[in-house]
Amino acid sequence: QKEVEQNSGPLSVPEGAIASLNCTYSDRGSQSFFWYRQYSGKSPELIMFIYSNGDKEDGRFTAQLNKASQYVSLLIRDSQPSDSATYLCAVISDSGYSTLTFGKGTMLLVSP
Amino acid sequence: EAEVAQSPRYKITEKSQAVAFWCDPISGHATLYWYRQILGQGPELLVQFQDESVVDDSQLPKDRFSAERLKGVDSTLKIQPAELGDSAMYLCASSPGTSSHNEQFFGPGTRLTVL
Repeated sequence: QKEVEQNSGPLSVPEGAIASLNCTYSDRGSQSFFWYRQYSGKSPELIMFIYSNGDKEDGRFTAQLNKASQYVSLLIRDSQPSDSATYLCAVISDSGYSTLTFGKGTMLLVSP
Repeated sequence: EAEVAQSPRYKITEKSQAVAFWCDPISGHATLYWYRQILGQGPELLVQFQDESVVDDSQLPKDRFSAERLKGVDSTLKIQPAELGDSAMYLCASSPGTSSHNEQFFGPGTRLTVL
């Protein structure tokens, strides 16, 4: 059973701080890693993807991947109240059909 | 900007009734996915199509759920009969293909409430 684990939170940070969201996965064959943001009552929205070990930056967002530790994280710099949402980590293993396995999500609350 | 379309956005039904959801993927996307998301959980894959063929329906409760994508474009997910535990958000997503580097784009979802 492929598993993706996330702390459910909520993670509370003040406006302007760095928010750090973490995710671990069980399948060593996993190849692609995605972070989705989901506002309450809305559908998931892709914000970052990473395929190789190391860091990938996109604006205020940085994804970090460590395949040896089976760990992927998302850093949000200069957090804004509009970043308050649930962040879903999703993983594609080497299944041939690119099936996404999602974690349960971490709720982030950014206070003004 | 191209989007995945879903309808209806909300559906309230009584248990034992039949319900159907419709999805139109982004034009040109060969792969279509139906997910179910229970409140407080991540989305779980129900069925995946590559063009008109089902490539993964291992988590689809086949005694009551069915899905089709007859012409390889839009798709319908049906539940008959609905049960109380089916109350959830049903999400449709599409991607250009099945490469592990293909991003999946989600539609707005259908919120189902079974009374």
